[in-house]
Amino acid sequence: KNEVEQSPQNLTAQEGEFITINCSYSVGISALHWLQQHPGGGIVSLFMLSSGKKKHGRLIATINIQEKHSSLHITASHPRDSAVYICAGVFNTDKLIFGTGTRLQVFP
Amino acid sequence: NAGVTQTPKFRVLKTGQSMTLLCAQDMNHEYMYWYRQDPGMGLRLIHYSVGEGTTAKGEVPDGYNVSRLKKQNFLLGLESAAPSQTSVYFCASSSIRGIMGQPQHFGDGTRLSIL
Repeated sequence: KNEVEQSPQNLTAQEGEFITINCSYSVGISALHWLQQHPGGGIVSLFMLSSGKKKHGRLIATINIQEKHSSLHITASHPRDSAVYICAGVFNTDKLIFGTGTRLQVFP
Repeated sequence: NAGVTQTPKFRVLKTGQSMTLLCAQDMNHEYMYWYRQDPGMGLRLIHYSVGEGTTAKGEVPDGYNVSRLKKQNFLLGLESAAPSQTSVYFCASSSIRGIMGQPQHFGDGTRLSIL
């Protein structure tokens, strides 16, 4: 059974810290999405990547298909980064399996 | 910039009642999806549609029906609500179904409680 696992489940940080959220998955993935769910519930797509690294502002996502692992990094974290971060693997080119999310709280 | 709009945002039902959740998108996307989100679990696909007039079952379709009569709208129906259907429901749309380079755009969710 395809499975996507995230770690840690919960993460707290002080403003300015470097944050890493991890996502591991079973075989068959062709790409991976990183999503952000705001405290109010809305979900926003951050990245979709199939290899290497992508960067957008203070957010960096990396993936290693062979090692079945992806990471989301946040540099110079800020309280407004507080949210739930979700990874979702693309299996068989069209099936998304979502992780359970990592709840991040950044304190000033 | 509306994107994906879900109505209602909150609803409380009694067991056995029926209701319809409406999802509307203004991005001319072909693909639309209904997910449910439960504590401790990832988003799970209920039903999806690859175009106007089409629907298909996802991972957890039992107890739900859907319709896509117009390209911009995707309706999720509960014919006889059960407490197990208490959840947060998300609608999403994409121009290509979940594959490379095409992220899904999500609505803000509908929080549904069944008593």
